[in-house]
This record gives sequence, C-alpha cells and structure tokens, in this order.
Amino acid sequence: QQQVKQSPQSLIVQKGGISIINCAYENTAFDYFPWYQQFPGKGPALLIAIRPDVSEKKEGRFTISFNKSAKQFSLHIMDSQPGDSATYFCAAALNNAGNMLTFGGGTRLMVKP
Amino acid sequence: DVKVTQSSRYLVKRTGEKVFLECVQDMDHENMFWYRQDPGLGLRLIYFSYDVKMKEKGDIPEGYSVSREKKERFSLILESASTNQTSMYLCASSPFNQPQHFGDGTRLSIL
Repeated sequence: QQQVKQSPQSLIVQKGGISIINCAYENTAFDYFPWYQQFPGKGPALLIAIRPDVSEKKEGRFTISFNKSAKQFSLHIMDSQPGDSATYFCAAALNNAGNMLTFGGGTRLMVKP
Repeated sequence: DVKVTQSSRYLVKRTGEKVFLECVQDMDHENMFWYRQDPGLGLRLIYFSYDVKMKEKGDIPEGYSVSREKKERFSLILESASTNQTSMYLCASSPFNQPQHFGDGTRLSIL
C-alpha cells in the first residue's frame, strides 16, 4: 500500500513548456514534503521542499504547490529545459526533515529541444 | 560537499550467497538509511540508524540486516540472497532534522 501516490509515471514536455508532477498522500501526520531529482547513474538529490504551513514555495524555475485539505502537492517546472530531463520523486516525512522518507513511485521527465 | 560513498557501483552474486553492501559518509551525520529502488515503486526504506549500534526497521526489512559499528559506516547485509533482491540499493545520510543526502547507488544482480 503506497502512502504517497505520484503521477504521471512519465512526461514529455517541449522546451520552454511547463512540467507538472502531482503527488497525493494519505497520512495527515506527514509534515515535510521534499522533491528529489535523479539523473541516470546518480543518486537522488534534494531539489526543493515544503512544510504544510505554507501553500507555495518557489526556487528559481521550480515551484511546489501544497493543498493541505486535499492532501496533495505538486511540482511545477517553468520554462522546462532539456537539462531538466531526469526522474523526479516526491516524498513525505513525519516530524522532521531527517526522518525516514516515504517516496512516490517517480516520474520520468523528458524535455524535448 | 557532503559525500556518501557506496563501495560498489555494480555487483553480481549468486542465489544463497551472503552479500555485504557498504556505505560511508564523511560528514559526521547521525542518521543513515538504506533504500532499494525499483521501477514504478520509487524508493522503499529497508533499515535506518540514528546512532552507532542502533537500527530501526523500515518498510521492507525482510531478508536484510544492517550493521553500524562506526558512525560513518552503515552496512546492508543480505543473509541469503534471492533473485527477488535484484535491485538498485541506495544509501543516504543526514544530520538530525536536515535533508538526506544520497550515494550513487549499487546495482545488485542476483543470479
């Protein structure tokens, strides 16, 4: 039983477009929601994270939108670039950022030039 | 820069063998984690440790054990390897209440 569900599994976007990846969680006790980016042959790297006391967080071209009542959060990549092509994972954790993470299934993003 | 080093990038073992995967971090982090990554399932936590000689089961501990004798090193042990343990294994570490940093993974094949 997956506590964090991620969609879509794969996504193709044209260069300059907006990439949107969605996640839904079940456990209302989760209080830390990071997104990780993984390139082939590399481990996941933290991209951006949010706590449920804010509805949006933006870092450069990357934005997390958070809807606490719907138990959903999403990653928006504005002006998507070929270099953004990677696998993206959402995750959730209890109590603190260093605690065990529950991951979504991942989204493989391809940005076409 | 935080460095989490996994001893092998690729490993091929036979069914029934005892397999050791090693992970070392150089930043004096308290927390260390072992995940396995499978397509469509994301990363699933096998075991984690908050301190030397301490360990906690994650979501899928069956068939695995761990050892943390020193703060910087966290070992994953497959007691008797089986083909369903063929996977990518990822180690991570973090300071208390800070995000996890991942190694580049060990791709393990059990024949």
